[in-house]
Amino acid sequence: DADVTQTPRNRITKTGKRIMLECSQTKGHDRMYWYRQDPGLGLRLIYYSFDVKDINKGEISDGYSVSRQAQAKFSLSLESAIPNQTALYFCATSDQGTQETQYFGPGTRLLVL
Amino acid sequence: ILNVEQSPQSLHVQEGDSTNFTCSFPSSNFYALHWYRWETAKSPEALFVMTLNGDEKKKGRISATLNTKEGYSYLYIKGSQPEDSATYLCAFDRGSTLGRLYFGRGTQLTVWP
Repeated sequence: DADVTQTPRNRITKTGKRIMLECSQTKGHDRMYWYRQDPGLGLRLIYYSFDVKDINKGEISDGYSVSRQAQAKFSLSLESAIPNQTALYFCATSDQGTQETQYFGPGTRLLVL
Repeated sequence: ILNVEQSPQSLHVQEGDSTNFTCSFPSSNFYALHWYRWETAKSPEALFVMTLNGDEKKKGRISATLNTKEGYSYLYIKGSQPEDSATYLCAFDRGSTLGRLYFGRGTQLTVWP
């Protein structure tokens, strides 16, 4: 079984809709991250969390919110989806003290119409 | 804004060719440099974590070098094979207290049979 899972894997939604992307991990890591990938732009950090009570903005947090429900779960919400949020979204985890090697989920492909 | 630059953006080589690409990063506040391999339709996977100036890492036909004083790392692939086709990402790490990685945009390698 995969250590980092994301649901859904693919999602089509309409402008203005609220959607949630979920990430779960069984690696026992404290740190979790949400990235988006757009063609030619690499991975850009949206939000990250070092533990259940810690939430930090990345460089492109506008239009997104997150919730760290438990050590193993980190959800990303688009409160009111817009077409330029169409992208591939990755969740990742890392363990403090191991040079921050990050382990990525399979990605969620989101299309906002 | 912290810039991590990768070049070239894309590369097409013939099977059997050796190739290399570059990651440039700030030389100050260096903690580690990460290389990831990202195959199409899969998640990025860690290749190397490099921490010391002059470090050289090797995994099969892939190797990497690190120069922290001038702020660059090279990734080499010897005798490229079609299965090496992927996007290679580097990520700059300022240390676990600051917590996050800064990714470059990647070099997309295509190896033709």
